[in-house]
Amino acid sequence: AQSVTQPDIHITVSEGASLELRCNYSYGATPYLFWYVQSPGQGLQLLLKYFSGDTLVQGIKGFEAEFKRSQSSFNLRKPSVHWSDAAEYFCAVGGSNYQLIWGAGTKLIIKP
Amino acid sequence: NAGVTQTPKFQVLKTGQSMTLQCAQDMNHEYMSWYRQDPGMGLRLIHYSVGAGITDQGEVPNGYNVSRSTTEDFPLRLLSAAPSQTSVYFCASRGPTVNTEAFFGQGTRLTVV
Repeated sequence: AQSVTQPDIHITVSEGASLELRCNYSYGATPYLFWYVQSPGQGLQLLLKYFSGDTLVQGIKGFEAEFKRSQSSFNLRKPSVHWSDAAEYFCAVGGSNYQLIWGAGTKLIIKP
Repeated sequence: NAGVTQTPKFQVLKTGQSMTLQCAQDMNHEYMSWYRQDPGMGLRLIHYSVGAGITDQGEVPNGYNVSRSTTEDFPLRLLSAAPSQTSVYFCASRGPTVNTEAFFGQGTRLTVV
């Protein structure tokens, strides 16, 4: 079955520290991968996406993600977090149809 | 550049009432969808449409109806509201190819009492 797993429900990081949010997927075909961010009370905003080519993709707000086919992972990283990065982050996978499969989300808490 | 517009932003309903959540997009996207978001469960697909006149059920369709008479609009109807439908609802649209991202509305927070 197709699925997306975000193993961490919450992550707490000190401001200025590095960040890695994990995403693992199960998908039978070539996946299209997305990371979205949701600030409190807001809709979801695309951070970055992977379709093909270079497995390290750059996104907005200084985020990057690396696609590792052998590990079925698409982890999100940022070298130095800011207080404004506190939000919920969602990983999603899509394929040859239009439907997206979503992870349950990871809430990022920033310690001052 | 409006993108995806949802109305209302907040709504309180009594059990058994019906209502329609509105969704409109101005990007000429064929694919539109409705999700509900509940704590710890991510986004769950309610209904989707791949073009005007075509709709289909998603993962959690019970208690909801949709129609797609135009490319722009994709309303979601709650037929007889139940407390279990208390949630945040998001409408999204996607471009013409499967390797495009989804664009989301700001959401509707619905409480059924």
